[in-house]
Amino acid sequence: DAGVTQSPTHLIKTRGQHVTLRCSPISGHKSVSWYQQVLGQGPQFIFQYYEKEERGRGNFPDRFSARQFPNYSSELNVNALLLGDSALYLCASRPGQPTKTQYFGPGTRLLVL
Amino acid sequence: SQQGEEDPQALSIQEGENATMNCSYKTSINNLQWYRQNSGRGLVHLILIRSNEREKHSGRLRVTLDTSKKSSSLLITASRAADTASYFCATDEDNAGNMLTFGGGTRLMVKP
Repeated sequence: DAGVTQSPTHLIKTRGQHVTLRCSPISGHKSVSWYQQVLGQGPQFIFQYYEKEERGRGNFPDRFSARQFPNYSSELNVNALLLGDSALYLCASRPGQPTKTQYFGPGTRLLVL
Repeated sequence: SQQGEEDPQALSIQEGENATMNCSYKTSINNLQWYRQNSGRGLVHLILIRSNEREKHSGRLRVTLDTSKKSSSLLITASRAADTASYFCATDEDNAGNMLTFGGGTRLMVKP
């Protein structure tokens, strides 16, 4: 079975631009979570979606938004990019209860210049 | 903000030696998980320990949990060069596995 896939793998943007990152969960997984990992730090939770509804949100500004589609894939959108948004963006999927393990994709590395 | 703090931040050992990493957290937890990350790529789940468990084993991995001290440790025995990676502990805020709070990680280097 394919694991979690993310696209693109790398991305370079300039300040003020908008970016859309995409994630396809493992087949059968209905929960998708997004994390931001700044270089040298641990991942920070951004959003979690389950059955197309937002179920959790981390401490990120409104410039960050996400959605989940009927096929459970997900998009993370970031508007008005700042230099500090440069990071590895990780998507993780989970089959649902009782499994608490998250399965991570390889990430999208975003560089904002 | 990050819930856990790993200690040490970096660790360098020889192949065959044991590696011990510690994690401290701040709030009550239902479970604690350890993940591994190779070279800034995706994280791989290693082991989950529930708050009512004190020790758990998986292959060469041994995890302990002390809820009174709000701390956990990960022991890798007989380390191999392939164990070189960053290791993170993560607490499960809602006990549903939806919102993990990670520590800053321990960067382990195993020299052949």
